[in-house]
Amino acid sequence: EAGVAQSPRYKIIEKRQSVAFWCNPISGHATLYWYQQILGQGPKLLIQFQNNGVVDDSQLPKDRFSAERLKGVDSTLKIQPAKLEDSAVYLCASSFGEQLFFGSGTQLSVL
Amino acid sequence: KQEVTQIPAALSVPEGENLVLNCSFTDSAIYNLQWFRQDPGKGLTSLLLIQSSQREQTSGRLNASLDKSSGRSTLYIAASQPGDSATYLCAAQGNQFYFGTGTSLTVIP
Repeated sequence: EAGVAQSPRYKIIEKRQSVAFWCNPISGHATLYWYQQILGQGPKLLIQFQNNGVVDDSQLPKDRFSAERLKGVDSTLKIQPAKLEDSAVYLCASSFGEQLFFGSGTQLSVL
Repeated sequence: KQEVTQIPAALSVPEGENLVLNCSFTDSAIYNLQWFRQDPGKGLTSLLLIQSSQREQTSGRLNASLDKSSGRSTLYIAASQPGDSATYLCAAQGNQFYFGTGTSLTVIP
């Protein structure tokens, strides 16, 4: 069974630039999550999708972050414009039932 | 809001030692408690899931316990090996998954 795929693995940008991350969940997993993990901290939920719909985006900074899930499968997370404090690992996860499966993440450095 | 705390933040032990990692949470109204492992530069891998109605789960050398009433969970690792070196995170599932900050484990050969 293929795991959760994420790209790119690394991204370096300057502040005020835009960036996008892509995630392909495990086939058949209806629920998809985007997490932000700052160095030394646990993952923080940004947004949760159930199929095409948003279940929880209460912690998504909507003035600069946006996310969509196309046809209930792939998802993209965008930051525009980026700030220095956005430097973190962005993790995508999917679930079927209660168990979470994570991708390897995208490490973002904002200079 | 659920707060999840893990102590210690870092732990270094000699190979072969048994060890316990601690996780505490403030809201006992959870569906389950999961333990994850994270290797450097990688995502999280689920190790054990304990349902709210269960007291413990075992997988190989790993044993996790859950005491909802006291808001605590422990992960016991028997006969530690250098390959166990990683960061271990717990997550309490309520309306979302709430993660602790993790315990960084180093097993010295």
